[in-house]
Amino acid sequence: AQSVTQLDSHVSVSEGTPVLLRCNYSSSYSPSLFWYVQHPNKGLQLLLKYTSAATLVKGINGFEAEFKKSETSFHLTKPSAHMSDAAEYFCVVRSGGGADGLTFGKGTHLIIQP
Amino acid sequence: DTGVSQNPRHKITKRGQNVTFRCDPISEHNRLYWYRQTLGQGPEFLTYFQNEAQLEKSRLLSDRFSAERPKGSFSTLEIQRTEQGDSAMYLCASSPQSGVSGNTIYFGEGSWLTVV
Repeated sequence: AQSVTQLDSHVSVSEGTPVLLRCNYSSSYSPSLFWYVQHPNKGLQLLLKYTSAATLVKGINGFEAEFKKSETSFHLTKPSAHMSDAAEYFCVVRSGGGADGLTFGKGTHLIIQP
Repeated sequence: DTGVSQNPRHKITKRGQNVTFRCDPISEHNRLYWYRQTLGQGPEFLTYFQNEAQLEKSRLLSDRFSAERPKGSFSTLEIQRTEQGDSAMYLCASSPQSGVSGNTIYFGEGSWLTVV
């Protein structure tokens, strides 16, 4: 079984300040981990993914995430927030142990204050 | 190209009616997935296909739901006798290879269903 916990349902930061979106996971197998972003009334866009290579993963739009096995975490960060980053962010786990589908967290709504 | 294409993008239907959504995956992607997303929640897995074979169905997929992928290309998701609780966004996704958990799954923009 696998699960994902996004620790904050809403995060609000000022434009130009750092962003931290927290994610913890559990998986019976070596997982692949993803972050997706969803803008209002849009589908999901992949930001980045971890697949057992480098533990620090760089994605699009300046985002990155670090896989920490000892903490079972995969937090998403960005050094400087931009207004266009306002969206819903989903942490996702995909386990190699059986079902091929993704398990999503409940999402974190990122608000950017001007 | 083309990403994953879904239609219709929006559908309003009366309770009890049947609705069908279509998904065209990215060319040559042999895996196709359906997810459901309700307001304020993350997407929930419904089912997936490897080519034309439906390999797994979630318990969320009641008897009123049926999905097909007859030729291993596009897929349809039909909901019979719709209920208000079926109101959600239905997301289709595809991925390029089987059995490799790291392969990216690409999503369409979703089909919104409102049952009145």
